[in-house]
Amino acid sequence: DQQVKQNSPSLSVQEGRISILNCDYTNSMFDYFLWYKKYPAEGPTFLISISSIKDKNEDGRFTVFLNKSAKHLSLHIVPSQPGDSAVYFCAANSGGSNYKLTFGKGTLLTVNP
Amino acid sequence: DSGVTQTPKHLITATGQRVTLRCSPRSGDLSVYWYQQSLDQGLQFLIQYYNGEERAKGNILERFSAQQFPDLHSELNLSSLELGDSALYFCASSQKLAPSSYNEQFFGPGTRLTVL
Repeated sequence: DQQVKQNSPSLSVQEGRISILNCDYTNSMFDYFLWYKKYPAEGPTFLISISSIKDKNEDGRFTVFLNKSAKHLSLHIVPSQPGDSAVYFCAANSGGSNYKLTFGKGTLLTVNP
Repeated sequence: DSGVTQTPKHLITATGQRVTLRCSPRSGDLSVYWYQQSLDQGLQFLIQYYNGEERAKGNILERFSAQQFPDLHSELNLSSLELGDSALYFCASSQKLAPSSYNEQFFGPGTRLTVL
């Protein structure tokens, strides 16, 4: 039972354009969401997060949008750069005494020069 | 460099064997997490320790066990290995107990385990 789903295994965009990575979740108890970026042969790196009390969080070129009613979040990267090419994982936590993160399978983003 | 170290980087062993993966958290971090990433899978949470105590458990098999030592490093023990245990095993650390914007998890580079 996958509670966090990233339905697009891969995405290819042109440098300078917007990259939109999507994530759906099924557990309505999730109240904190994160995006991680992973380069080959490295561990995941935290990118940006959002609490369920917000619907948008911005950090430089990265913006995460949360639609609680649709149980959907997205990561926007504007403008996309070749160095953004990596696997992006969406993760969620339900708070309280639940300390674990539930991850999606990841989306491979390729930004073409 | 996240500051989290994992050894070894690669491990090749045979079915039925037992291995130990080691993780040193970032200086000052009290929480250590273990994740498994199998082929085409996301990161599966295995277990979390905080200041030496087990605090959260995920889909960790009974053949697997972990501990966190007084110096805060952690070891993941995998026994009676099966072909399906071949995966990347990541360790992460954070300062506090629960996920939050102030308690980011920092990941190590992982240990690639191959069971033949």
